[in-house]
Amino acid sequence: RKEVEQDPGPFNVPEGATVAFNCTYSNSASQSFFWYRQDCRKEPKLLMSVYSSGNEDGRFTAQLNRASQYISLLIRDSKLSDSATYLCVVNTLRMDSSYKLIFGSGTRLLVRP
Amino acid sequence: NAGVTQTPKFRVLKTGQSMTLLCAQDMNHEYMYWYRQDPGMGLRLIHYSVGEGTTAKGEVPDGYNVSRLKKQNFLLGLESAAPSQTSVYFCASSKFRGTSGSPGEQFFGPGTRLTVL
Repeated sequence: RKEVEQDPGPFNVPEGATVAFNCTYSNSASQSFFWYRQDCRKEPKLLMSVYSSGNEDGRFTAQLNRASQYISLLIRDSKLSDSATYLCVVNTLRMDSSYKLIFGSGTRLLVRP
Repeated sequence: NAGVTQTPKFRVLKTGQSMTLLCAQDMNHEYMYWYRQDPGMGLRLIHYSVGEGTTAKGEVPDGYNVSRLKKQNFLLGLESAAPSQTSVYFCASSKFRGTSGSPGEQFFGPGTRLTVL
């Protein structure tokens, strides 16, 4: 089983739609969580960190469910410019006290006119 | 502030050739990383560094070496390139955060597209 799993998609939605992605992680010792956005042939960029209480940034809402070991990203009122791949990232403390940052393979979103 | 820069942007090598990829950051970050990204797979960590003069292996270190002689630079070397090393290579850096040592947000360079024939 992969340590971080995402549905690869693509999610094909019309402009204005609401879309949600989930990401599951296997290690209950995971400590911090992030969503990154990656445009085609570009580098990943941080979209938002995911806090225990959930957090919102404009049209984007991120939530963490530790009991079920998943994080989610909700995008409201989708724009054409939201078309990208969304990477889930999980930061886990290892036994030797070092950190292991694991990237999911990404979920591709296509927003159509 | 240039952020994280990588050179070269593109390179084609023949099997057995060697090369060095250079990563530079001007944000005074403690942590630096080298990843590779292949189609259908997530970013995979090759090597990383938690400070000047220190390096550590990631998930896929075989065939690569690294050095961090200066805080702002992190070099990735391929001693004898193989076709399996055809990939996009990303460098990233992040701040050290808090007493727990947890790294902060990672900032990525634009990537190096490497093809090994």
